[in-house]
Amino acid sequence: EAQVTQNPRYLITVTGKKLTVTCSQNMNHEYMSWYRQDPGLGLRQIYYSMNVEVTDKGDVPEGYKVSRKEKRNFPLILESPSPNQTSLYFCASSIRDSNTGELFFGEGSRLTVL
Amino acid sequence: QKEVEQDPGPLSVPEGAIVSLNCTYSNSAFQYFMWYRQYSRKGPELLMYTYSSGNKEDGRFTAQVDKSSKYISLFIRDSQPSDSATYLCAMSNQGGKLIFGQGTELSVKP
Repeated sequence: EAQVTQNPRYLITVTGKKLTVTCSQNMNHEYMSWYRQDPGLGLRQIYYSMNVEVTDKGDVPEGYKVSRKEKRNFPLILESPSPNQTSLYFCASSIRDSNTGELFFGEGSRLTVL
Repeated sequence: QKEVEQDPGPLSVPEGAIVSLNCTYSNSAFQYFMWYRQYSRKGPELLMYTYSSGNKEDGRFTAQVDKSSKYISLFIRDSQPSDSATYLCAMSNQGGKLIFGQGTELSVKP
């Protein structure tokens, strides 16, 4: 089954404790992206990757890191999480880019930083 | 000012009504326009995609883009309770940056 898989789905952590949210897709997609969703603000792009070893900042990259060492994986790293990073996070992938290819989203990862 | 503005609702309509959802934007370079639907506790899924101006129809759904007014719309005819979801507009000029609206929460009552 074609899918984007995120882990963990739910996480409660404390300020400053490094964490990684993994994202994996099995559709051989070139494009992958991370978004955060907050009430009243909609979906905001954090980082995106057009292909392996190619990453770019979205609108809200501060406090996040990403890497794209393999085509299928695009982990989101929070080196020192803070309470303002409490949010619902979505990973998405597309065959080529976000414009002309359908964006497939994961189920979301709800993160709470205390 | 946000690049993309969307009325967050919530919007409540009776079954069978025609629903109109709208977004305005400020960046005239946007060329690709999309509507995503998001059910509760799920990731968004692509509903409609339009390049540049014009209309596109798919079953009960019609997407319209008016680039001169920087305004896009999604119409849902004969709305059903299963259409109850949050609808997000999204747009881009090229490459990898995709800007979403805040999303409109729609509830269709039987």
